[in-house]
Amino acid sequence: ETGVTQSPTHLIKTRGQQVTLRCSSQSGHNTVSWYQQALGQGPQFIFQYYREEENGRGNFPPRFSGLQFPNYSSELNVNALELDDSALYLCASSGIGGGGTGELFFGEGSRLTVL
Amino acid sequence: RKEVEQDPGPFNVPEGATVAFNCTYSNSASQSFFWYRQDCRKEPKLLMSVYSSGNEDGRFTAQLNRASQYISLLIRDSKLSDSATYLCVVESGGSYIPTFGRGTSLIVHP
Repeated sequence: ETGVTQSPTHLIKTRGQQVTLRCSSQSGHNTVSWYQQALGQGPQFIFQYYREEENGRGNFPPRFSGLQFPNYSSELNVNALELDDSALYLCASSGIGGGGTGELFFGEGSRLTVL
Repeated sequence: RKEVEQDPGPFNVPEGATVAFNCTYSNSASQSFFWYRQDCRKEPKLLMSVYSSGNEDGRFTAQLNRASQYISLLIRDSKLSDSATYLCVVESGGSYIPTFGRGTSLIVHP
């Protein structure tokens, strides 16, 4: 067990809706990274938060947004859902941010289906 | 060109075989390198970091070739339990954001 928990584990939405995914990082970790993994592909970096600030962002549109709370847990929000947003969303916590991420500890993911 | 490229496979090998995967990266300023393992419908987990001098962990050996910008993973004496997807991860200097390849699928059969 990594100590990283994500919720919900599965969810189904329709196009145009909005979704919020949650992640509790491992105790002592101050960095959370979010990834999108489509079937048969590797995880694609969405963004990273270090001590409540966005520390980097991948090639995702602004309708993907997030935040990190003082306890270092994090949320990923996706607005105006599209069919292509169907994927496994992975949260990873790590102990170092802003200067080398170190080992990533992943949660089991939230599997989103958009109909 | 993708930042991190891997042959998706699958590599289908018998138990006891030796198998090697390569991964190329495009950013010459990349600083840190890793191999992660992902079992079917599970989250990725760190298999090993890759050091400049190469490193070994039991049946697994990782190598880094900075001149040619690739890293490799060698698995000796393959076990059925090695069947998984192996993900190459590269962190580039400056951003330190871990970038994943698409993964290489390994199937070890009896």
